[in-house]
Amino acid sequence: DAGVIQSPRHEVTEMGQEVTLRCKPISGHDYLFWYRQTMMRGLELLIYFNNNVPIDDSGMPEDRFSAKMPNASFSTLKIQPSEPRDSAVYFCASSFGYELFSSKERSSTDTQYFGPGTRLTVL
Amino acid sequence: GQQVMQIPQYQHVQEGEDFTTYCNSSTTLSNIQWYKQRPGGHPVFLIQLVKSGEVKKQKRLTFQFGEAKKNSSLHITATQTTDVGTYFCAGGRGTYKYIFGTGTRLKVLA
Repeated sequence: DAGVIQSPRHEVTEMGQEVTLRCKPISGHDYLFWYRQTMMRGLELLIYFNNNVPIDDSGMPEDRFSAKMPNASFSTLKIQPSEPRDSAVYFCASSFGYELFSSKERSSTDTQYFGPGTRLTVL
Repeated sequence: GQQVMQIPQYQHVQEGEDFTTYCNSSTTLSNIQWYKQRPGGHPVFLIQLVKSGEVKKQKRLTFQFGEAKKNSSLHITATQTTDVGTYFCAGGRGTYKYIFGTGTRLKVLA
């Protein structure tokens, strides 16, 4: 498997423009995550999907950000309109995700596989 | 909200010295994962700890999960230049949503 694929790898755009980031998760993975990484805020979870359905989007900064997953092999993160403070590296990650029930504890043993990231610069 | 802090933020060591990074959560975790990110790269999964007090080893790396499941540590024995990177812990709360720690950037001087 080629791993998680993201495109483009680099994007430079001007403030106010629409930006679309793309992700192809590992085949067979049920979960897809979008993260943003900056020096100031570290690695932040923006949204994640399970079986193409958004489960938690509480990390999405504001209405300018939207994410979709039309099918199991493709997801997009869109920023419209973009602003300079959106400049960051955006990572997509996927995981198989299954749960083990161990005595009284419910445990997850998922591993997240990250893509190479998209470095976004908004001028 | 839930926070996961790591200390130190940066660490420079001479090759051959040991290195430890500590991860502390404001809330009890169900499990914790550790990732390594090389400069310019993406986070790569290292290990997951689930049980209270669990200790796991991978060659020169030793991972611990605290008894209260609120803290964890990663210890590297006899660092090598290949250990350079940022080490992140990621705390789980029983869902598939993980909160990543602030990271510790390790630099190894040859």
